Amino acid sequence: DAGVTQSPTHLIKTRGQQVTLRCSPKSGHDTVSWYQQALGQGPQFIFQYYEEEERQRGNFPDRFSGHQFPNYSSELNVNALLLGDSALYLCASSYLGGGGEAFFGQGTRLTVV
Amino acid sequence: KQEVTQIPAALSVPEGENLVLNCSFTDSAIYNLQWFRQDPGKGLTSLLLIQSSQREQTSGRLNASLDKSSGRSTLYIAASQPGDSATYLCAVPHQGGKLIFGQGTELSVKP
Repeated sequence: DAGVTQSPTHLIKTRGQQVTLRCSPKSGHDTVSWYQQALGQGPQFIFQYYEEEERQRGNFPDRFSGHQFPNYSSELNVNALLLGDSALYLCASSYLGGGGEAFFGQGTRLTVV
Repeated sequence: KQEVTQIPAALSVPEGENLVLNCSFTDSAIYNLQWFRQDPGKGLTSLLLIQSSQREQTSGRLNASLDKSSGRSTLYIAASQPGDSATYLCAVPHQGGKLIFGQGTELSVKP
């Protein structure tokens, strides 16, 4: 089992550009959540997808959007990038009907210049 | 609103010491609590998940306890090793499944 995989691992973008991050969940998991982690801080919840629908959303602007595919993989899109969007983006997968344990990927380090 | 606090923010100990990391939460209506380890610039590795019906969970040299009524959890690490150096995060689910994290405790174990 490959666990949760994210791509790419690192990314440098220019302010104003758009970026797409990708996540494949752990085998058997049906729920994907995205988090943003600034340096020295705990991860902050962006949104969660289940059955291809956004199930829950945190306090992030509409510039942040996502998608879940029929195979449960997910994308996070960020439009009109700001310098403040520079962070580690983490994907977590879980099984909604299970005990709630979340497994995380290795993250994507996004740098906006 | 659920808030999670971890104390201390940083901890430095000599190799071989036993240590305790603390996590507190404001809303006791949780159904589990999860402890994670994070190495610099890396993702989160799940260490232990404690269900609300449990009081303790053990994995090797790690032992986590949960006291819902007082809103506290502790992570006990026995016989610490330099390889244990990392940031340790606790998290609780809130309002349907999103995880609320503490700020983490940065642990350094000196040889």
